[in-house]
Amino acid sequence: KQEVTQIPAALSVPEGENLVLNCSFTDSAIYNLQWFRQDPGKGLTSLLLIQSSQREQTSGRLNASLDKSSGRSTLYIAASQPGDSATYLCALNSGGSNYKLTFGKGTLLTVNP
Amino acid sequence: NAGVMQNPRHLVRRRGQEARLRCSPMKGHSHVYWYRQLPEEGLKFMVYLQKENIIDESGMPKERFSAEFPKEGPSILRIQQVVRGDSAAYFCASSKPQNEQFFGPGTRLTVL
Repeated sequence: KQEVTQIPAALSVPEGENLVLNCSFTDSAIYNLQWFRQDPGKGLTSLLLIQSSQREQTSGRLNASLDKSSGRSTLYIAASQPGDSATYLCALNSGGSNYKLTFGKGTLLTVNP
Repeated sequence: NAGVMQNPRHLVRRRGQEARLRCSPMKGHSHVYWYRQLPEEGLKFMVYLQKENIIDESGMPKERFSAEFPKEGPSILRIQQVVRGDSAAYFCASSKPQNEQFFGPGTRLTVL
């Protein structure tokens, strides 16, 4: 059974700092991995999707990496801004005929002006 | 191109009542997933449906919960005889076959 862990559970940084969010998983047989952002009381916004054959994906100030052999993914946020404050969720798709996602509990990020 | 739509956004029910949550997938998407987010918990998979078929309901509680995705109209998640422990945010996602899932804004159910 796939288990997803996100560390730290909460992170507070000053504006402008570069930061890394971590996601680890127990079963390396994955189809893809997604990072989402969730604002309080809102839905999920997909940030980056990494296919199992890829090592990383970049979008603007965000960079996500994937290392299946060690069961880890990181989300790097450069030059953080107060608007980046949200909960960041890591989710794995183990593929096959059922593409259900297994989520971590998230990292609550606060960027202080 | 409208995204995944869910309604209502907020739903309040008293214990013992029924809750019906609706999800309209994105245009062209034939696959629907329901997830539940309990307070202080991560999102948990509940059920995966295609038109007129339940593909995987391994995450659904055995009693009181049911889901459908008819040939016409939205997908419905139905909770009978709600209890306080059902209070949560319920998210729907849709996708094309074997493709990225897109999430709706969620329905926040409060059971009094």
